[in-house]
Amino acid sequence: GAVVSQHPSRVICKSGTSVKIECRSLDFQATTMFWYRQFPKQSLMLMATSNEGSKATYEQGVEKDKFLINHASLTLSTLTVTSAHPEDSSFYICSAGDRDAYEQYFGPGTRLTVT
Amino acid sequence: GQQLNQSPQSMFIQEGEDVSMNCTSSSIFNTWLWYKQDPGEGPVLLIALYKAGELTSNGRLTAQFGITRKDSFLNISASIPSDVGIYFCAGQGGGSNYKLTFGKGTLLTVNP
Repeated sequence: GAVVSQHPSRVICKSGTSVKIECRSLDFQATTMFWYRQFPKQSLMLMATSNEGSKATYEQGVEKDKFLINHASLTLSTLTVTSAHPEDSSFYICSAGDRDAYEQYFGPGTRLTVT
Repeated sequence: GQQLNQSPQSMFIQEGEDVSMNCTSSSIFNTWLWYKQDPGEGPVLLIALYKAGELTSNGRLTAQFGITRKDSFLNISASIPSDVGIYFCAGQGGGSNYKLTFGKGTLLTVNP
């Protein structure tokens, strides 16, 4: 149980374009999902907290208009990187928690490369 | 944002040896979690700790939630090559605060 999937696993896009990343909880309902960014050889940094049916809460320094998050159902959250630039290249990972969200289960990550 | 102090940063050990790593924080956490991350993949939950003083095992892994709620350790006994990876501790505030604060990770290398 507690399987979280992400799609795509890798994406290469040109500077200025937008990219959408999906995060799905496959065998449980996730009232809360989290989006992280991880640069090489560094730890995970929380970008935003996504609650089903409400607006996401962004961490300080994360541009909400650049990183659009939608959590339309209890099993799906999406992160859209708008007008991507090379500095947005990173490993993006989502996690999902159940009702209590004490235990968070992570997706396999999406490697974004902006050329 | 706030970070946990995780040590050691890296470890090189021989297969069969025991390993210990720990995390400390200046703040109290209500939950401690330990994750393992393989290259190019997301972290996998190893052990979750919910009570101060709690000692929990998962196979060859043992973790403890410090009495002060400001620290936790993870032990791996009789290491094997597949234990290689990066181990992260994470603290959670509790209540309605589900956000995780991660340590910087411990890179474990096991020589066969």
